[in-house]
Amino acid sequence: RKEVEQDPGPFNVPEGATVAFNCTYSNSASQSFFWYRQDCRKEPKLLMSVYSSGNEDGRFTAQLNRASQYISLLIRDSKLSDSATYLCVVNVRTGNQFYFGTGTSLTVIP
Amino acid sequence: SQTIHQWPATLVQPVGSPLSLECTVEGTSNPNLYWYRQAAGRGLQLLFYSVGIGQISSEVPQNLSASRPQDRQFILSSKKLLLSDSGFYLCAWSPLGGGKYNEQFFGPGTRLTVL
Repeated sequence: RKEVEQDPGPFNVPEGATVAFNCTYSNSASQSFFWYRQDCRKEPKLLMSVYSSGNEDGRFTAQLNRASQYISLLIRDSKLSDSATYLCVVNVRTGNQFYFGTGTSLTVIP
Repeated sequence: SQTIHQWPATLVQPVGSPLSLECTVEGTSNPNLYWYRQAAGRGLQLLFYSVGIGQISSEVPQNLSASRPQDRQFILSSKKLLLSDSGFYLCAWSPLGGGKYNEQFFGPGTRLTVL
């Protein structure tokens, strides 16, 4: 079983739409959670950390459900510039292991 | 502020040739360092990580090796490249001890094509 699983998509949404991505993780000892954004042929860049109580950064909202072991990312009022692959990442502090999902592809259409 | 450098940006090498990719971090001390590979259309695969000078942990068996000769320098090497070594190689760092939320930050990557 993979450590982190994501729906690969693709998600094709019109500008202004709201889109949500989910991610599940298998290791209950996971301690830190993140969403990264990766543009085509570029390195992943940290979008936001996911806090236990959930957190919001502008149009982006991240939620964590430890009981069900999943993480979500909600993007409101989608912009063309949001088109990218979104990677779910979990960290198990023991050994400083980071586990990446394979990513969810988002295309925002004019 | 912290920055992470990788070079070269792109590399085309023949099968059987050696490889050396370098990564350096500025603006921090004692970082955890990582090498990942991303094959075309696939997720990131952790190759090596290091928590200190000379300390290397390998995640997958392969013909690659890593070294950390200095605190902020991480090198990925191979004696003989295989076709399957082609991919996008990414170096990353995170604060030792995790920092507040233990974020990981990536360098710009090296795109390697083995022919």
